[in-house]
Amino acid sequence: GQQLNQSPQSMFIQEGEDVSMNCTSSSIFNTWLWYKQDPGEGPVLLIALYKAGELTSNGRLTAQFGITRKDSFLNISASIPSDVGIYFCAGQIKNTNAGKSTFGDGTTLTVKP
Amino acid sequence: NAGVMQNPRHLVRRRGQEARLRCSPMKGHSHVYWYRQLPEEGLKFMVYLQKENIIDESGMPKERFSAEFPKEGPSILRIQQVVRGDSAAYFCASSPDHFGETQYFGPGTRLLVL
Repeated sequence: GQQLNQSPQSMFIQEGEDVSMNCTSSSIFNTWLWYKQDPGEGPVLLIALYKAGELTSNGRLTAQFGITRKDSFLNISASIPSDVGIYFCAGQIKNTNAGKSTFGDGTTLTVKP
Repeated sequence: NAGVMQNPRHLVRRRGQEARLRCSPMKGHSHVYWYRQLPEEGLKFMVYLQKENIIDESGMPKERFSAEFPKEGPSILRIQQVVRGDSAAYFCASSPDHFGETQYFGPGTRLLVL
């Protein structure tokens, strides 16, 4: 089945720094999704990408859908302590079973005040 | 609270017992997805259901696991004769349509098998 390779596995940064994480796949996806998960909670959708090459922003977050449809990155600018958490990428393929998401293993972000 | 609800939030079972996990989708959503998350891993798709129908169960183990989404009431994920390897967080998500691009996740049920 499809697999997503997400990197880095963890990041330790200073408050105010910018962050970049990415996801690659050997398979093509039609939709890329980025989620944030806080401890003890379910994932919350941050950004959804639907077209190859698409660049989308949500506040301090920016994500891009790679041209080959096999990769995506997420940038966080001017990090703040509440950005701490686990960030997951997920890919979807449009077919009759749409909605089935394949998740990466996550990037754990730690922000030092 | 109109969000996805899951209960119980924590469930402890001994090996061989049954675990029943419940998920109430957001109001108006008729599409439910179940995922399993092991520690330090991403979520793994298990099953996709619409009301009274299983659409995709390609991620479900062949034995001991079953899921339903009846016409009335919550979706149920049932694990029979639990083993220690079943210990994980189980999340459900709901969406308003079959495209499933916008999935809202519940808080999860943490299952611990002793």
